[in-house]
Amino acid sequence: SQQGEEDPQALSIQEGENATMNCSYKTSINNLQWYRQNSGRGLVHLILIRSNEREKHSGRLRVTLDTSKKSSSLLITASRAADTASYFCATDLYSSASKIIFGSGTRLSIRP
Amino acid sequence: DTGVSQNPRHKITKRGQNVTFRCDPISEHNRLYWYRQTLGQGPEFLTYFQNEAQLEKSRLLSDRFSAERPKGSFSTLEIQRTEQGDSAMYLCASSPSAEGETQYFGPGTRLLVL
Repeated sequence: SQQGEEDPQALSIQEGENATMNCSYKTSINNLQWYRQNSGRGLVHLILIRSNEREKHSGRLRVTLDTSKKSSSLLITASRAADTASYFCATDLYSSASKIIFGSGTRLSIRP
Repeated sequence: DTGVSQNPRHKITKRGQNVTFRCDPISEHNRLYWYRQTLGQGPEFLTYFQNEAQLEKSRLLSDRFSAERPKGSFSTLEIQRTEQGDSAMYLCASSPSAEGETQYFGPGTRLLVL
């Protein structure tokens, strides 16, 4: 069963707009990560946020974590065509921090 | 390039044949992971190694699957008697030995079983 689920499953926005993706998970975690995957390629790590952190920034990316609601969001500001990809959240399990479990992803399309 | 590498990048095989994939992790990383990803889904955990020890295996890893990391460096994943349902992208990742560290992924091996 999935630990994390992304919402929406697909998102299409105009270049320059902001994109927000959400992730919900079921059990307690140590940390949550966001990855990007271009079509047919490997995953690129974007950002890791630990359970004691609430917000983290990296360039045009902003990630929030609400452990009380078991949810996270990824905001991409000023989107570009190159941001077109699938975005996955991945959570470890508090009881087994070695293994991470991925959601099914959000497919983001940026329209020129 | 000092990232995770995987070979081959693509493999087409006939049902019933055996296939073997190789993963070379980032050199200073002690942990190595294998995942499987089917179209439209996120990666699913298969197994992981701490150095040469295989510490956890998913129930997804049937008896036809075997993974090794004999010297604690590169790893191989073998699938025996392949089935069409084995068609997927097989991803390898590595991380430092500390718990909760970022996993860095290779480009994957795409397997097609005819």
